[in-house]
Amino acid sequence: NAGVTQTPKFRILKIGQSMTLQCTQDMNHNYMYWYRQDPGMGLKLIYYSVGAGITDKGEVPNGYNVSRSTTEDFPLRLELAAPSQTSVYFCASSYSYTIYFGEGSWLTVV
Amino acid sequence: QKEVEQDPGPLSVPEGAIVSLNCTYSNSAFQYFMWYRQYSRKGPELLMYTYSSGNKEDGRFTAQVDKSSKYISLFIRDSQPSDSATYLCAMSERGSTLGRLYFGRGTQLTVWP
Repeated sequence: NAGVTQTPKFRILKIGQSMTLQCTQDMNHNYMYWYRQDPGMGLKLIYYSVGAGITDKGEVPNGYNVSRSTTEDFPLRLELAAPSQTSVYFCASSYSYTIYFGEGSWLTVV
Repeated sequence: QKEVEQDPGPLSVPEGAIVSLNCTYSNSAFQYFMWYRQYSRKGPELLMYTYSSGNKEDGRFTAQVDKSSKYISLFIRDSQPSDSATYLCAMSERGSTLGRLYFGRGTQLTVWP
């Protein structure tokens, strides 16, 4: 059982470039989330989805976009990357208050 | 702003010690309280989940919630080197979307043999 899978694991972006962080889960969970974790800080919610076709903003959505066309996939799009988006990104899914996190994607914007 | 305060440590204890980790919060709407463990370069994993006030025990781990003081704790008994990790508290409001959590900064714990 793979759980929540994120790709890529590591990525270096130049300022102004765009990219998509991929997330897929095989647990048939309706709820999916994207969090970011800055060094020495707690996780902050970027976007979340309660089911296919439904997404909503979290605490820190600026500079990001998401889509949810299937139950399994919840990609996070970074448009016009900025140094402030250097962080570790975690995708997660849940069916209750048990939330399963992926292993993380380390992104550096230079 | 919904703030969750957590001392980042680091905390270093000998094997077998009792560890106490704490968080405070200001939002009285928080109703669900969780503790996550995060190993280096890994995603957080759920340790304990508590609804409202009270205690909950699971093996060597005990979670306490005091809503009147807006204070939550995690106790680890007979700590082991394998407990070395960062411990994150997280909270959620009543009626909010599942998984819409507010996290503390995390406390880095090292248990030395």
